[in-house]
Amino acid sequence: QSALTQPPSASGSPGQSVTISCTGTSSDVGGYNYVSWYQQHPGKAPKLMIYEVSKRPSGVPDRFSGSKSGNTASLTVSGLQAEDEADYYCSSYAGSIYVFGTGTRVTVL
Amino acid sequence: EVQLVESGGGLVQPGGSLRLSCAASGFTFSSSWMHWVRQAPGKGLVWVSRMNSDGSTTNYADSVKGRFTISRDNAKNTLYLQMNSLRAEDTAVYYCSLAGSYRFDYWGQGTLVTVSS
Repeated sequence: QSALTQPPSASGSPGQSVTISCTGTSSDVGGYNYVSWYQQHPGKAPKLMIYEVSKRPSGVPDRFSGSKSGNTASLTVSGLQAEDEADYYCSSYAGSIYVFGTGTRVTVL
Repeated sequence: EVQLVESGGGLVQPGGSLRLSCAASGFTFSSSWMHWVRQAPGKGLVWVSRMNSDGSTTNYADSVKGRFTISRDNAKNTLYLQMNSLRAEDTAVYYCSLAGSYRFDYWGQGTLVTVSS
């Protein structure tokens, strides 16, 4: 049950795009199309942003998109805005259990 | 509106026990899978446990298996986490979460558990 690997940090200027990777194994990310992404602002609870690799819940801006190739999933935030500055975590189903990523802090320059 | 309100956190000595509660409202609790997820101070999210709607199926992370027990009372719309043999590394904010299909749809505000002598 090792955590999925994410880069510790990512950054971009307002209006730019940033992509965060999430690397697992064939037992989690690569084995299921059940990768989800969560945004967490300091001191707040996480919020679901993407589920089933690329689907957006109602109310999440279409600036947020997800994809997957093999054992690596990715979250792209296009048209960065100040309010996108937060920690982002991926998560994957791994057969009766779940695993989260190590987290990425996104900074809007 | 979905609401999840955790309670029961606090300071406990190593080896001690604590029971967390999560009061749910705004959705059909008795039809919903539920999870517990924790976050150590300044660290990332870690999945802890899940339970199906009628309590017949439970799963645990290896790090808590045999020490933590998830349960629920559908009549009270409440999820529980009984934590025994607590260790310093169990110190964290514990969140309950309403499960969607292989995802965590809604989260409570969390309750802090501190294990220290």
